[in-house]
This record gives sequence, structure tokens and C-alpha cells, in this order.
Amino acid sequence: NAGVTQTPKFRVLKTGQSMTLLCAQDMNHEYMYWYRQDPGMGLRLIHYSVGEGTTAKGEVPDGYNVSRLKKQNFLLGLESAAPSQTSVYFCASSTPLAEQETQYFGPGTRLLVL
Amino acid sequence: AQSVTQPDIHITVSEGASLELRCNYSYGATPYLFWYVQSPGQGLQLLLKYFSGDTLVQGIKGFEAEFKRSQSSFNLRKPSVHWSDAAEYFCAVGNNAGNMLTFGGGTRLMVKP
Repeated sequence: NAGVTQTPKFRVLKTGQSMTLLCAQDMNHEYMYWYRQDPGMGLRLIHYSVGEGTTAKGEVPDGYNVSRLKKQNFLLGLESAAPSQTSVYFCASSTPLAEQETQYFGPGTRLLVL
Repeated sequence: AQSVTQPDIHITVSEGASLELRCNYSYGATPYLFWYVQSPGQGLQLLLKYFSGDTLVQGIKGFEAEFKRSQSSFNLRKPSVHWSDAAEYFCAVGNNAGNMLTFGGGTRLMVKP
């Protein structure tokens, strides 16, 4: 039982390049989330999904796209990377919070955009 | 919209001393409240959570937190801090729809020997 895994762990991009971050969970969770973490700002929600084939915008969605083609995977895409997207990205998964569970977090992906 | 404020960006305590980290939230209904800890270069680990019932919640590693509705607070406490507690601590509030956590900016804890 690996929990939540993220690929890659670290990446350097040049401005304008694209990339996809992969998140996978093996807990059969319906809900999945992508956050970014910046110093002094905590974690901010980028996009989330409440089930396979559905996605929704969070607090800071601009410049990102997501897809949830399979229940266990949640992809985060950057079509044209900008230096402002330098951050640490965390994926999480959960059952609905009303079931008194919490979100389980992956180890993070550190992204540097030059 | 929900929000969380952690007033203290940095806190330094001596090993063995008591600790209290402050968290204030804004949410229209009864909130779901969480404390997470993050060690350097690591992901977030849940310390404790409050959904309903007893307002004093016990968590892992000897931490506890008290929900005070009248003060919109959910402060984290530990009676005796260990050097291994040095980390960043995040308070979060969840909405009743069950699909979103809002985090505070975090408090970085340093422990002096």
C-alpha cells in the first residue's frame, strides 16, 4: 500500500516549456487534489476532482489544467511554464470530508522554472 | 469564503517547555478543523482533526488542540516539546461539502536545546 505517489520528484523547466505531473493513489479514494506550496502562503488549492472524469477549479487555477481519466490517477499539466509557477506541488486524495476522514498527501514535486 | 490565520510565522521554544500554536478560522457553519505537520523536504502528516463532539482533541506525538467556537480558534498545544518537534505546522479548515481544505500560512517551530 503505497498511499499517494507523485512523479517526478524534481524538475527544472525553461519558460514556455510544458510538462505533466502525475499523481497516483491506491486507496480507492473518490476525491483528489492538487496544491501548490509557496513560502508564507501555506498550501493553495489549484484544481480538484470529486470522481473519475470530473474536475473543478480551486483557488489558483490559472496556467494549469488537470485530467482524471482513471480513478487512481490525477494529472496536472502546465502548458507554458512561467517563473511564477516555481513552487512545490502536492497531490492529495480523500474520501469526502463529511465521512470524517482527512486528506492524504504525497511527498511533493519541486518545480523550478527558469 | 473560508479562511485560516496563523498569526505566528516563527516560534522558538526550549526543549522541555510547553508549546501553543495559534489558529483562527473564518467559516459560516460548524467547521472541520485539522492540524498538519511538515518536516523539511517532506509531505504533510496529519496530527489531529476535529469534526464534532468533544472540543478537546487528542492527536499523535502528544499534541492536542481545543476548538473554541466563541473565539473561532483551534490552537495546538503540547506540554513538553522535544527537539524532533521542530517542523512547520499548518492549520486547515474544511468545508461541509467535503471537497476543499483551506490552509493557514504555517508556523515554523524551532526548538532550542
